[in-house]
Amino acid sequence: EAQVTQNPRYLITVTGKKLTVTCSQNMNHEYMSWYRQDPGLGLRQIYYSMNVEVTDKGDVPEGYKVSRKEKRNFPLILESPSPNQTSLYFCASSSLAGGLTDTQYFGPGTRLTVL
Amino acid sequence: QKEVEQNSGPLSVPEGAIASLNCTYSDRGSQSFFWYRQYSGKSPELIMFIYSNGDKEDGRFTAQLNKASQYVSLLIRDSQPSDSATYLCAVNAPFSDDKIIFGKGTRLHILP
Repeated sequence: EAQVTQNPRYLITVTGKKLTVTCSQNMNHEYMSWYRQDPGLGLRQIYYSMNVEVTDKGDVPEGYKVSRKEKRNFPLILESPSPNQTSLYFCASSSLAGGLTDTQYFGPGTRLTVL
Repeated sequence: QKEVEQNSGPLSVPEGAIASLNCTYSDRGSQSFFWYRQYSGKSPELIMFIYSNGDKEDGRFTAQLNKASQYVSLLIRDSQPSDSATYLCAVNAPFSDDKIIFGKGTRLHILP
């Protein structure tokens, strides 16, 4: 089954404790992206990657890191989480066959709480 | 900053009626337009995409695009309670790496 998986689905942590949220897709998509979603602010892009070893900042990259060492995986790293990073996070992937405007497939989301 | 604007709602529509959702965008160069549906606490899922001016129909859903006026709409015919969700409009930004810009979404509530 074609899918985007994220882990963990729920995470409660404390300020400053490094964490990684994993994202994996099995559709051989070139493009992967991380979003955060907050009430009243909609979906905001954190980082995206057009292919292996190619990553770029989105609209809200501060406090986050990503890597793309393999095509299927795109982990999101919070080196020193802060309470303002409490949010619902989505990973998404897309084929670039039709340009970047192909349909994005979203993972199930990770609800992160930073105390 | 390229923008995609939607009325946040909630938009309340009686069951069986037509729900009309609207979206405006600021980038005249945008060429790809998407409607995603998102249930509370779930991930967005694609409903429709449209690239050309005019109407595109898929079952109970019709997307309408007017590039001259820079708006795109989604009509849902014979609305069902299961259509109650937040609908996100998304538009490509061709001069920003072609990335996709999402609106903040419109909450739709179908009244049984």
